[in-house]
Amino acid sequence: QKEVEQNSGPLSVPEGAIASLNCTYSDRGSQSFFWYRQYSGKSPELIMFIYSNGDKEDGRFTAQLNKASQYVSLLIRDSQPSDSATYLCAVYNQGGKLIFGQGTELSVKP
Amino acid sequence: ETGVTQTPRHLVMGMTNKKSLKCEQHLGHNAMYWYKQSAKKPLELMFVYSLEERVENNSVPSRFSPECPNSSHLFLHLHTLQPEDSALYLCASSRDPSAAGTDTQYFGPGTRLTVL
Repeated sequence: QKEVEQNSGPLSVPEGAIASLNCTYSDRGSQSFFWYRQYSGKSPELIMFIYSNGDKEDGRFTAQLNKASQYVSLLIRDSQPSDSATYLCAVYNQGGKLIFGQGTELSVKP
Repeated sequence: ETGVTQTPRHLVMGMTNKKSLKCEQHLGHNAMYWYKQSAKKPLELMFVYSLEERVENNSVPSRFSPECPNSSHLFLHLHTLQPEDSALYLCASSRDPSAAGTDTQYFGPGTRLTVL
């Protein structure tokens, strides 16, 4: 079992829709969770992080964390073509290592 | 710009060449990292330096040799690489790796390496 799992996609949504990206993790003791966005040929850039159960909103982005179910998700409201990228979920495990998922490719169609 | 720079941005080398990748961070961070990113695979952590001391070496082949002369600079020396080493090599930095779980890593633009 992979420590951090994401559907590789591609996930295709129409412009203006809500994109929902999901991530599950295996280490129940994990405490903090990060979402990075990576455009093709570019490096990952931090979108947001979340530590506590529940929702955290930042502009059009909302991170949702459910530690009991060991999943974290990222919602993108009013999706734009410029949101088309690969989204990486990263989790700090109990050993203090930041483990990345393989990423979900998102395509927003005009 | 994240405050982490990498040079060169692209590198093509033969298997017998020796080359070096350079990373510099302007964020006042204490830790620096090398990652390898291959197509359709998760980022693979290669090396971690905290306060210029290597604290992590994830079973990386000896043909990759890191060097951290100070907290702002990190190098990855390459020699006798294999074609399967072709990948995007990313440098990252963070403020305080001892604050495990809350320490955010910021990435440089990467070096696209092709080994012929």
